[in-house]
This record gives sequence, structure tokens and C-alpha cells, in this order.
Amino acid sequence: KQEVTQIPAALSVPEGENLVLNCSFTDSAIYNLQWFRQDPGKGLTSLLLIQSSQREQTSGRLNASLDKSSGRSTLYIAASQPGDSATYLCAAQRGNTGKLIFGQGTTLQVKP
Amino acid sequence: GAVVSQHPSWVICKSGTSVKIECRSLDFQATTMFWYRQFPKQSLMLMATSNEGSKATYEQGVEKDKFLINHASLTLSTLTVTSAHPEDSSFYICSARVRRVTDTQYFGPGTRLTVL
Repeated sequence: KQEVTQIPAALSVPEGENLVLNCSFTDSAIYNLQWFRQDPGKGLTSLLLIQSSQREQTSGRLNASLDKSSGRSTLYIAASQPGDSATYLCAAQRGNTGKLIFGQGTTLQVKP
Repeated sequence: GAVVSQHPSWVICKSGTSVKIECRSLDFQATTMFWYRQFPKQSLMLMATSNEGSKATYEQGVEKDKFLINHASLTLSTLTVTSAHPEDSSFYICSARVRRVTDTQYFGPGTRLTVL
């Protein structure tokens, strides 16, 4: 049974700092891994999707890496801004079913 | 971009009543939609997979008679919480699957259900 864990649960950094969010999964046989952003009381916004055959994906100040052998993914945020404050969720897709197994999320606060 | 809407965005109801939540893909067709629930400060838990024109597939521990799912068209799936109780109070989120270059899911804004 796939389990997804995110550490830390919460993170507070000053504006401008680079930071890394961690995601680990127990079953390396994933179809893909996705990172999402969730603002309080809102739905999810997809940030990056890494296929199982890929090692990383980049979008603007965001870079996500995937290491299936170690069961880990990281989300790197460069030059953080107060607008980056949100909860970040990673999710591993189970096979080709489309079913996503979510981690508990990391709540990020970027202080001006 | 792909947009998924949910209606209502929030609802308050009395115990014993039924509540229907709609999930629509506005600018694309989705053969598969998923329903999740999220408790405060917790992650999303997959409840069921909804396929157009067929019965929904429920995850272990989810009561199918409690949470009725209908996927009547390629753009609409509904979740009906029957005989709601306070423990059903939660944030319900749907997603629609699009399989183009990548296998991506687009999420709705969620529906906050409060059962009194």
C-alpha cells in the first residue's frame, strides 16, 4: 500500500530565501508524481508533474525532482515571496488508474 | 486552461437530509472524475472514481449507499451525501482527468459541507 509523507508539516521563512520541501513515498512503482498548491479553503492548483521516467521538472521559480529508487521527491522554491504562502501537497499516482495518493502537505509561510 | 467548477461552494444542512454536489468540467470532456474529502488540516482522501456511463468505483471504507455518485455526461459528475450526519461535515473536492501529452488532473474549488 502506497504511503506518501511530507516533511516538514510547517515551514516559516523570510522573504527571498530559497527552500526545499520534501516528499517521500513507500512504493517506487509510481506512474507519476505531482506537486500541488492549496490556498486556505480552496481547491488545488497543479504546479508540476513528473513522469516516472523523468528526473525533474521546472516551472519559473519552482523545480521538482524525482528519485524513484530512494522514494523521494523534492520541490525547490527559489527566491520565495509572500505570495508563495500556501499548503503544498505532493501526490503519487497509482499506476495508470489516475488515483492519487496524497501526502499530508507542508504549510509554508513566507514573511515579508 | 482546463477549468473545473463545483456547486455549491458551501452548504449547511440539517441531520438526516441529503445534499447534492455538482462537479463540472467547463471547457473539456472528462471521461473520469474523482471525488476526495478533506478534513481540517489533513490531506485529501480519495473516496471514489467516477466514470462516465458506468458505476462509480469506491475506495475501501467508503459507503457507496451513503455517498451516491452519478456521472451522467462527459462534463458532469454529482456526489450526493444521503442522510447526512455531523460526521459527514468536510471539504469535498472533485477532480477531472485529462489524458493528453501528460496524465493530468484538474481540481475543482471544493465544497464545504456542514451538517448540523
